[in-house]
Amino acid sequence: SQQGEEDPQALSIQEGENATMNCSYKTSINNLQWYRQNSGRGLVHLILIRSNEREKHSGRLRVTLDTSKKSSSLLITASRAADTASYFCATGIKTSYDKVIFGPGTSLSVIP
Amino acid sequence: DTGVSQNPRHKITKRGQNVTFRCDPISEHNRLYWYRQTLGQGPEFLTYFQNEAQLEKSRLLSDRFSAERPKGSFSTLEIQRTEQGDSAMYLCASSLSSLQGSEQFFGPGTRLTVL
Repeated sequence: SQQGEEDPQALSIQEGENATMNCSYKTSINNLQWYRQNSGRGLVHLILIRSNEREKHSGRLRVTLDTSKKSSSLLITASRAADTASYFCATGIKTSYDKVIFGPGTSLSVIP
Repeated sequence: DTGVSQNPRHKITKRGQNVTFRCDPISEHNRLYWYRQTLGQGPEFLTYFQNEAQLEKSRLLSDRFSAERPKGSFSTLEIQRTEQGDSAMYLCASSLSSLQGSEQFFGPGTRLTVL
């Protein structure tokens, strides 16, 4: 069974708007990572947040982590058409340092 | 190009045949992972290695699946007696091990179609 679940499953926004995706998980984690996958292309790592961190930024990306609620969010600000992709959260299992479990993903469409 | 490479990129086979995929990780990475991804789903963990040692294999993985990383460099994933349900994209990733987790670098994948 999958550890993480993203919400929403699909999101459609206008270019320039912000996009927020959420991830909930079930068991204790070492870290939580977000990946992007463009249609027909490989997965690309976006950001890793450790269990003792609460917020992290990378360019137009902002990730938060609330371990008490077992949830994370990914915010993409000032979205662009090129941000159209599937976004996956991957939770780093506490008992296994580098093994991660992926959620089913959020499909983001940014309309020009 | 020093990224993760996978061969072949596409494989079409008949049910019951054996297939083998190869993954070449980033050279200095000691961790290597195999995942399976079907349409509309996230990658599903199959197995992973630290150097040549196989650390874990998914309990969901049939005995028809076997993976090796004989010299701690490239890895192969073999599926014996393929079934139509094995049709999927098989992804390989590599990373440097870290106590607090590390970024995984993914290859382009091998798309398997079982007829």
